Amino acid sequence: DADVTQTPRNRITKTGKRIMLECSQTKGHDRMYWYRQDPGLGLRLIYYSFDVKDINKGEISDGYSVSRQAQAKFSLSLESAIPNQTALYFCATVGTDGGYTFGSGTRLTVV
Amino acid sequence: AQSVTQLGSHVSVSEGALVLLRCNYSSSVPPYLFWYVQYPNQGLQLLLKYTSAATLVKGINGFEAEFKKSETSFHLTKPSAHMSDAAEYFCAVSPSGGYQKVTFGTGTKLQVIP
Repeated sequence: DADVTQTPRNRITKTGKRIMLECSQTKGHDRMYWYRQDPGLGLRLIYYSFDVKDINKGEISDGYSVSRQAQAKFSLSLESAIPNQTALYFCATVGTDGGYTFGSGTRLTVV
Repeated sequence: AQSVTQLGSHVSVSEGALVLLRCNYSSSVPPYLFWYVQYPNQGLQLLLKYTSAATLVKGINGFEAEFKKSETSFHLTKPSAHMSDAAEYFCAVSPSGGYQKVTFGTGTKLQVIP
């Protein structure tokens, strides 16, 4: 099993729909992150969590929400999807050395 | 505050040629620096990291990078490119001390020409 697992891998949804992206990890790390990747823009931080009770907004949190259900699970929700949220979304955990472990990503298309 | 600049969004090299991907950073405190690689349809994978030990860092797949404080650079090199090196490469910086927020560069796509 992968260290960080994201589901679904691909998703097409309609404008206005609510959608949840899920992430689970087996690294035992406390810190988890959600990023979105857009061509030419690199990775931008949406939300991050230092533990189950600690949730923090990143640089582009508007239109998104998260839930940390357990140390191993961190889900990202789009409450009302819009086309400019079409992107590749990555979940990651980080260890004490600062190195990230990424999931394989969710490719989301909002039509 | 911290930032990363990757020079060149696309780089092409011939198979067997030297690979040089450039990264300059800005950080108000001593940094940790990272290079990640992303193959098509995959997540990012850590290639190597600098965490204030040796300035020349060796990573996986024959890549290495040198931390040059005077030049605020952390360029990635590989002596001889393989076709399998074709991917997108991201430089990243965080304040030293672990568990700090990481800032990623915008990426450089490496094309290897047979």
